[in-house]
Amino acid sequence: AQSVTQPDIHITVSEGASLELRCNYSYGATPYLFWYVQSPGQGLQLLLKYFSGDTLVQGIKGFEAEFKRSQSSFNLRKPSVHWSDAAEYFCAVLNSGGYQKVTFGTGTKLQVIP
Amino acid sequence: DGGITQSPKYLFRKEGQNVTLSCEQNLNHDAMYWYRQDPGQGLRLIYYSQIVNDFQKGDIAEGYSVSREKKESFPLTVTSAQKNPTAFYLCASSIGQGSSPQHFGDGTRLSIL
Repeated sequence: AQSVTQPDIHITVSEGASLELRCNYSYGATPYLFWYVQSPGQGLQLLLKYFSGDTLVQGIKGFEAEFKRSQSSFNLRKPSVHWSDAAEYFCAVLNSGGYQKVTFGTGTKLQVIP
Repeated sequence: DGGITQSPKYLFRKEGQNVTLSCEQNLNHDAMYWYRQDPGQGLRLIYYSQIVNDFQKGDIAEGYSVSREKKESFPLTVTSAQKNPTAFYLCASSIGQGSSPQHFGDGTRLSIL
C-alpha cells in the first residue's frame, strides 16, 4: 500500500531564511508526487508535481522539490522564505494505475518569524 | 474562471439531523472526491466518483452518503449515523486519468450544535 510520511509536524523559520520540508513516500512503482499548500480555512493549492524526467521540479511561489528515488524522498525547498509562506504543506502520492488514489501526508505547519 | 465551489462555508448540525454539503465544479472533470480533514490527520477519503452515476466508498464512508447525477455536482450528505461529524470537509476534482492532479474547493466547516 502506498503511504506518505512528513516527519516534521511544525517548523519555524525566520523570514529570509531557507526552507526544506521533508517528505518520504512508499510506493511499489514509479510514483506521481505532489506538494500542496493550505492557508487556514482554505482548500489545498497545488505547488508542484513530479511525474517523470528531471528530478528537480519547479513550482509556483518560488518553490522547488527534488525527487530522490534511492531515498524515497521528495523534499520541498525554498531559498528565501516570505512571511506569506506561513501555511500548512502537504505531500501526496498518486498511484499510477487504475482508480486515481491519492494518499496525503499528515502535513507540516510552517511558521515564519520576523 | 474554472474552479470548484463548495457551499456553505460554515454549517451547523443538530443531533439526529442529516445535512448536505454542496460541491460544484466547472472544470469539466470526470472524477470528484470528498475528503475529511481533522487536525494532525491529514486528508482522509470519504467517497469518490470517477464518472456520472457511479461512486465508490473511500476509507471512512460510514455515516456519509453521496450522489453523482450530474458531471458538475457531487453533494455529500452527513447522516445522523456519523457520530463525530465535526470536521473540515474538502471536495476535489480531477481529469481522472493518468497523472492529473486534484483541484480543491475552499472547504466547508461542519460543527455540532
